[in-house]
Amino acid sequence: KNQVEQSPQSLIILEGKNCTLQCNYTVSPFSNLRWYKQDTGRGPVSLTIMTFSENTKSNGRYTATLDADTKQSSLHITASQLSDSASYICVVSGNNRLAFGKGNQVVVIP
Amino acid sequence: EAGVAQSPRYKIIEKRQSVAFWCNPISGHATLYWYQQILGQGPKLLIQFQNNGVVDDSQLPKDRFSAERLKGVDSTLKIQPAKLEDSAVYLCASSLDPAQLPSSYNEQFFGPGTRLTVL
Repeated sequence: KNQVEQSPQSLIILEGKNCTLQCNYTVSPFSNLRWYKQDTGRGPVSLTIMTFSENTKSNGRYTATLDADTKQSSLHITASQLSDSASYICVVSGNNRLAFGKGNQVVVIP
Repeated sequence: EAGVAQSPRYKIIEKRQSVAFWCNPISGHATLYWYQQILGQGPKLLIQFQNNGVVDDSQLPKDRFSAERLKGVDSTLKIQPAKLEDSAVYLCASSLDPAQLPSSYNEQFFGPGTRLTVL
C-alpha cells in the first residue's frame, strides 16, 4: 500500500475558481512534507515545505496546510489560472526516505 | 543558477535494445538521484548517490539497470536490455549534501526528464 495517497486523482476547474487537493500519509517517523508542481514534460518543482511544527505555508496563490496528528495535508489554489494546469505531487520525508504520491492532475479551463 | 540538465529528452527504442541517459546536476550538489516515473504515477527512486558512492539502490532492477557517477559529478543510467514496461520518464534530481543543511529543508531539484518509449 502506498504510504502517500492523494485525492482527487484529477479535476477540471474553471479559470478564476478555487480548488483544494488532499494528501493523506502514513509515513513514520515524519520529517517534512512538500508539495511539488509538475508541468507536462517538466520535472517537479517545489511549491511549499512544512515540518512537524508548521501547519500552514503559502507561496503566492498556493496555500498548504498540515495536520500532523491526523497525517493529512491539503493544497489550496486560489483564483486559478491556466498556468496552474499541472500535476501536484505530495512528497513526505521520513527516516531519510521520500514517499511520493501519485499526484493530483489539475486542468484549468477558460 | 543553471538547473539539472538531462539528455536526451526523448528516446524511442525497440525491446531488447540498450539505452543510456545522462544527467548533469547543479554545481556543488553532492547528492544525485535517478527516478522512474510511469505515466499517471509519482516518481519512484531507482538509485541515490552521495558524491560517487551509492547510498540507496534497493529499487534498482540490477539485472538490467545500471548507473554510475564517475568523479562525483555527472551520472549515467543504462538499461540493457530494455523491456516494454521500462517505458517511462526518467528523472534526475540533485540536492546539497544533507550534512550541510537541516534534513528538514533539504530540497531536491529535478531535471526535465528523459521520456523513454520501448516498442
